[in-house]
Formats: sequence, structure tokens, C-alpha cells
Amino acid sequence: EAGVTQSPRYAVLQEGQAVSFWCDPISGHDTLYWYQQPRDQGPQLLVYFRDEAVIDNSQLPSDRFSAVRPKGTNSTLKIQSAKQGDTATYLCASSFWATNTEVFFGKGTRLTVV
Amino acid sequence: GDSVTQTEGQVALSEEDFLTIHCNYSASGYPTLFWYVQYPGEGPQLLFRASRDKEKGSSRGFEATYDKGTTSFHLRKASVQESDSAVYYCALSDGGGTGANTGKLTFGHGTILRVHP
Repeated sequence: EAGVTQSPRYAVLQEGQAVSFWCDPISGHDTLYWYQQPRDQGPQLLVYFRDEAVIDNSQLPSDRFSAVRPKGTNSTLKIQSAKQGDTATYLCASSFWATNTEVFFGKGTRLTVV
Repeated sequence: GDSVTQTEGQVALSEEDFLTIHCNYSASGYPTLFWYVQYPGEGPQLLFRASRDKEKGSSRGFEATYDKGTTSFHLRKASVQESDSAVYYCALSDGGGTGANTGKLTFGHGTILRVHP
């Protein structure tokens, strides 16, 4: 079974540029999460969806970050006007809510903003 | 809000040494507790979890016991191997004591484990 797939694996931007990250969750998983992992820190939840609905985006910097999951499958996380402080690995994860199963993480996208 | 504290930032051991990584948590409810392991270039992988007081989780020789009284979930392994070298994260999820897992994980800062042959 394929795991959570993310692309690109790496991105390097100048401050002020925009970038999008793409995530394909495990087939059949209805819940999808985006986490931010700064270097040498644990992951921190940004937003999560159940199907296409946003359940919690309270930690998403709404002025520059946006996330969508229009058909309840793949998801895109976008950063407008990136800042050096956005440098981190962005992890996508998925799970099947109803059976309370494990949350599976992708390999992440490592973003560097210079 | 909820938080997880891992005391050790880095641990260096020799093969066959005993490992302890301390984890304490603060949560308003009755969380589910987890240990995750992360290898370079990979996402975190679940090692094991525990949902109730005194429940022991274990996997691959690692174990931890949920202690609600001391709000702790310390990771231990009797004899480490070089292949155990990785970053270990303690985490919690609001679960209400039922074992439910919202997937909203709160992670500690992580402990880098280096095991020398």
C-alpha cells in the first residue's frame, strides 16, 4: 500500500516568493493534517481536514498561508510571500477517523527561505 | 494549552547500554500518549501508544508506561543497538480517556539518540 506522498521534496525561495506543497494521502483516509517542523523541533499542527471540510486551522497564519482539500482527497498548502521564519519541513499526514487508526506521515517538503 | 516536555535533548550511548528518555506532559483532559521515531529524511513513525493510566506500550524492545499520577510516559530500552540511532518524540493527543485519537498531536522537542558501536 502506498504511503502519504508529498511533493516537492525540497524548495528554496527568496523572501517574498510564493510556494505550494502538494499531498496525496493514503487511499481511503478521510482525515488529512499539515504540520510544520522547524529544524531541531517537533512537528506543530497547522491545519487539518475531514473530507473537504477544515476542522481546525487555528494555528495557520491566515495572512500568508492557505490550505485546501477540494474533493476530500489530495491537498495543497500554499505560502504567499514567504519569510525566512517559514524555513522548516512541512509534513502531511493522514488517518481514517472512524476506526481511530494510526496517523501516517509523509516524508515532508523541506523549505528554505533565503 | 497542552504541552509535552522531553528532558534530554541529546543522548549518546554505546551498544547494549540501557536507555531512558524522560517525557512529562500537561493536558487539560485525559490524553492518549505516543512515542514516535524519526529517521533522517523521513516523517515521524509511530513506535507505540497508550490510552489509559498504567497501560504499557511497547514495540521493538522499547516500552513506556502511562502514569497519570506523575503525568509521565518515559521511554526505556534495556539494550540499545546502533540501528536505534534516530530522533525520538513524545507526543499526546486529546482523547478523553477512550483511546480516541483526533490526530491533533502535540509533540515534544525531540531527543536525538546516537548509539556508538
